[in-house]
Amino acid sequence: AQKVTQAQTEISVVEKEDVTLDCVYETRDTTYYLFWYKQPPSGELVFLIRRNSFDEQNEISGRYSWNFQKSTSSFNFTITASQVVDSAVYFCALRRYPGSGGSNYKLTFGKGTLLTVNP
Amino acid sequence: EAQVTQNPRYLITVTGKKLTVTCSQNMNHEYMSWYRQDPGLGLRQIYYSMNVEATDKGDVPEGYKVSRKEKRNFPLILESPSPNQTSLYFCASSSPLKGSGANVLTFGAGSRLTVL
Repeated sequence: AQKVTQAQTEISVVEKEDVTLDCVYETRDTTYYLFWYKQPPSGELVFLIRRNSFDEQNEISGRYSWNFQKSTSSFNFTITASQVVDSAVYFCALRRYPGSGGSNYKLTFGKGTLLTVNP
Repeated sequence: EAQVTQNPRYLITVTGKKLTVTCSQNMNHEYMSWYRQDPGLGLRQIYYSMNVEATDKGDVPEGYKVSRKEKRNFPLILESPSPNQTSLYFCASSSPLKGSGANVLTFGAGSRLTVL
């Protein structure tokens, strides 16, 4: 069974602070995908990043960066110089790799972290 | 624009009155799925479909039906809605093909359903 744990239920920061959202996952698969999605107050789910399990290179996109460590089953997300518009619920998710066996490549989500960035 | 479209976005109904939430995608994706989001429980999969005429249960299928007669459409049917089906529903699609967008689930905007 797959499981994603986001231990931080809520985080509150002041604008321009850096903030890291933690994600720990469990899976028996050797290959898989990891994702981060953002859910702003308007409610839609916005894709941020996909990471293959065999690619441990960290990634940076503007103020966003992701640290994937397979040895500790973690895929943490850092926002540098946070802004009010970053306020949202952030979800980490895990998906089986095609060909892993079975037919349901569902996304297994963590419970999410509510990030509030105050001006 | 590549997107997943759900309708209605908001609906208030009464117990037992059958309803359908439509979902359509314009990306020629094989895989489609429905999720519900509830406070404290997160996002849970209801049903999924690997392709036309290929559907199967997810984690919480009770009280729901789906069909996949066309590749682009994947409606969610509540035959006899009950108050415990009050939730925020999301439809999603993805393609298993290779490439930078492969296996990324694209979500619709969500449908907020209230059953009285």
